[in-house]
Amino acid sequence: DAGVTQSPTHLIKTRGQQVTLRCSPKSGHDTVSWYQQALGQGPQFIFQYYEEEERQRGNFPDRFSGHQFPNYSSELNVNALLLGDSALYLCASSVKGGLSGANVLTFGAGSRLTVL
Amino acid sequence: AQSVTQPDIHITVSEGASLELRCNYSYGATPYLFWYVQSPGQGLQLLLKYFSGDTLVQGIKGFEAEFKRSQSSFNLRKPSVHWSDAAEYFCAVGAGTGGFKTIFGAGTRLFVKA
Repeated sequence: DAGVTQSPTHLIKTRGQQVTLRCSPKSGHDTVSWYQQALGQGPQFIFQYYEEEERQRGNFPDRFSGHQFPNYSSELNVNALLLGDSALYLCASSVKGGLSGANVLTFGAGSRLTVL
Repeated sequence: AQSVTQPDIHITVSEGASLELRCNYSYGATPYLFWYVQSPGQGLQLLLKYFSGDTLVQGIKGFEAEFKRSQSSFNLRKPSVHWSDAAEYFCAVGAGTGGFKTIFGAGTRLFVKA
């Protein structure tokens, strides 16, 4: 049973460019969350997708956008890249909770983005 | 809004010694609490979670954590540390109405010395 897979694993971009990161959730999961983890910091919540819609959003500018497809896979897009966007981008999938609404996250290994 | 504080940036313990990693959270209602571990170059792996019930929860790899509402804490413990436990540990709180998001602390780096 494959877990969460992310691509690409590493990429280098220059300031002002655009990047698309991809995520396939764990089998049976329907919710995808994206996190940004800068060096030496904890993961910062970007947004969460469920039923192909953005359900929750963290404190990130509109340059960060996403999409979820009918097969539950997801993309994270970042426009007009800044040096500060250099980070590990983590995708996490989960099953939307029942009565509790609680999601237990399963993480991918991440996509390491370097902006020069 | 919920938040998580991990007061210790890094901790060093000897192999075989006991371990306690501190975590304090801020949230108005009963939170859902998690501990995750991240090895270098890897994603995060769930160690344990607290949703309700017994305030002492057991996790994988011999870890346990205790929820103390009065102290808004959820400290992680292990009685005897192994060299393979060296990693970054993240405490997290999950909550939300109309949606559920998980917020992470800054992490504690654990070093294990022989």
